Amino acid sequence: GQNIDQPTEMTATEGAIVQINCTYQTSGFNGLFWYQQHAGEAPTFLSYNVLDGLEEKGRFSSFLSRSKGYSYLLLKELQMKDSASYLCSTGGGNKLTFGTGTQLKVEL
Amino acid sequence: NAGVMQNPRHLVRRRGQEARLRCSPMKGHSHVYWYRQLPEEGLKFMVYLQKENIIDESGMPKERFSAEFPKEGPSILRIQQVVRGDSAAYFCASSSGQGATNEKLFFGSGTQLSVL
Repeated sequence: GQNIDQPTEMTATEGAIVQINCTYQTSGFNGLFWYQQHAGEAPTFLSYNVLDGLEEKGRFSSFLSRSKGYSYLLLKELQMKDSASYLCSTGGGNKLTFGTGTQLKVEL
Repeated sequence: NAGVMQNPRHLVRRRGQEARLRCSPMKGHSHVYWYRQLPEEGLKFMVYLQKENIIDESGMPKERFSAEFPKEGPSILRIQQVVRGDSAAYFCASSSGQGATNEKLFFGSGTQLSVL
């Protein structure tokens, strides 16, 4: 089975940097995804890591350590529009399992 | 290029009625996934379908729930004899076919089902 843990909520200041951690236990692993979900909207893809290390994409970066079952999403130069839920997900076979999401609130 | 289309956006049903949720995948996608999301909870996998085939329904409740993805037309998630506990947001996602766990999913805007 799959088990994914991430903090329930975080608060950060506009312009700052925030790191959202995710730990996982999975019986099969084909990669780790991060999705962003604004309230009442569809989740949208942010990043995918399948090898260890850091993947950088603009203001967002994602890190993976397969041996530790650990990933983080790093958001730089925070903007108010970054206030959303961030979902960590992974899985094996056909089933992608999602964490409960980290609700990020960006304040002035 | 239209994304994943779900309708209706909101659906209200009374206990005992049937709910039919529709999903049209992105153009060129032949793989559809249904997820359920309860307030304060994560997305829970329900079922994975390809055209005319159910590939994995391990997340579907054994009773009252069914899904199909016919050769022509949208995928349908059907809930018979709805109960209040079925109230949730139901999201559909599609992919091009390499499998959900090594390619990104494109999600629809969801159907919010409310059971009175």
